[in-house]
Amino acid sequence: QKEVEQNSGPLSVPEGAIASLNCTYSDRGSQSFFWYRQYSGKSPELIMSIYSNGDKEDGRFTAQLNKASQYVSLLIRDSQPSDSATYLCAVSNDYKLSFGAGTTVTVRA
Amino acid sequence: SAVISQKPSRDICQRGTSLTIQCQVDSQVTMMFWYRQQPGQSLTLIATANQGSEATYESGFVIDKFPISRPNLTFSTLTVSNMSPEDSSIYLCSVEERRTFGSGTRLTVV
Repeated sequence: QKEVEQNSGPLSVPEGAIASLNCTYSDRGSQSFFWYRQYSGKSPELIMSIYSNGDKEDGRFTAQLNKASQYVSLLIRDSQPSDSATYLCAVSNDYKLSFGAGTTVTVRA
Repeated sequence: SAVISQKPSRDICQRGTSLTIQCQVDSQVTMMFWYRQQPGQSLTLIATANQGSEATYESGFVIDKFPISRPNLTFSTLTVSNMSPEDSSIYLCSVEERRTFGSGTRLTVV
């Protein structure tokens, strides 16, 4: 069983819509959760971190964490073509990050 | 903002040779991490580098293949030894404190 699983893509959404990305993890001891955005040919860029249950909003991004269900999600509101990228979920229970396989999002104009 | 610099940014190498990748951070950090991202795949942790001690390698990675140095709190190197085409990947360094990555080294082995 993979440690971190993400919903399979690719995910195509129209401009202005909400993109919803999901991630589940197997280690109940995980304490820190991250979402990275990776453009083709570039290194991952941290866009959200969340540590406690509930929602965390930052601009057009909202991360949601449910530790009981071992589930973390990312919502992208008012999706823009510039949001087209691969989104990586990462989970940590110490200093090491475990990454999901990523979900590729395409925002069509 | 904090910067993690890596070099080279890319290289094409002959099989059987070695390449050393450098990672420089603009402030002192406790832990530095080396990741590999194979084509079309996610990131896999190779090892954790602490200053003054040997690196800790993850399952599937060994020191003879990926020797790491950590001479001070701002610098680390990763060497990919005796390369084969299967080593063609992007190699990334990261630091714990900021959970951010360097710009990466795109390695192609021919």
